[in-house]
Amino acid sequence: QVQLVESGGGVVQPGGSLRLSCAASGFTFSSYGMHWVRQAPGKGLEWVAFIRYDGSNKYYADSVKGRFTISRDNSKNTLYLQMNSLRAEDTAVYYCAKDPALGDWGQGTLVTVSS
Amino acid sequence: DIVMTQTPLSLSVTPGQPASISCKSSQSLLHSDGKTYLYWYLQKPGQSPQLLIYEVSNRFSGVPDRFSGSGSGTDFTLKISRVEAEDVGVYYCMQSIQLITFGQGTRLEIK
Repeated sequence: QVQLVESGGGVVQPGGSLRLSCAASGFTFSSYGMHWVRQAPGKGLEWVAFIRYDGSNKYYADSVKGRFTISRDNSKNTLYLQMNSLRAEDTAVYYCAKDPALGDWGQGTLVTVSS
Repeated sequence: DIVMTQTPLSLSVTPGQPASISCKSSQSLLHSDGKTYLYWYLQKPGQSPQLLIYEVSNRFSGVPDRFSGSGSGTDFTLKISRVEAEDVGVYYCMQSIQLITFGQGTRLEIK
């Protein structure tokens, strides 16, 4: 069965960087687009970024464009989110989710941006 | 950006009674390929979101048939024919015709 396991969350100071990972198993990772979605504490869902199955195209929410970079390593079945210039408003649980239709989600990893 | 507006934002339902959630988009979600890119998710307390309905009216694998989706263009509805205790949580609609945006969420509780 599909399994998505996020890691890399933690506490970081404003202006700092963090790299999230999402380890995938149970499906042919290299055949599917992947998303990052976040949820601030007590708030709703916010889509962050998408990468096509082969990494050829990447799309970002305006709120993270220029600061976050989505990437993947199909040889390692792993999705990444490099987060730079972090702000307090980036504090959230970050989920990876699989296409199509975000049909499968990981359990999330918490990122806290605080001094 | 496409804005997704859900109503109501919360509802309290007696077990066995029906429930309905509306979702309106600021632009048509009908693509030139004939598909309408509207989805419904449920986030149960303490869990990750789970897909319920894709492309307006198709139930995802394992979703009980008491859940149904309908609508077209910009107006969509999720219906639960007979609410059960396990249906508690926050329901989100989502569009993917133009990047991705979610509705604000509708919290369902049991009376």
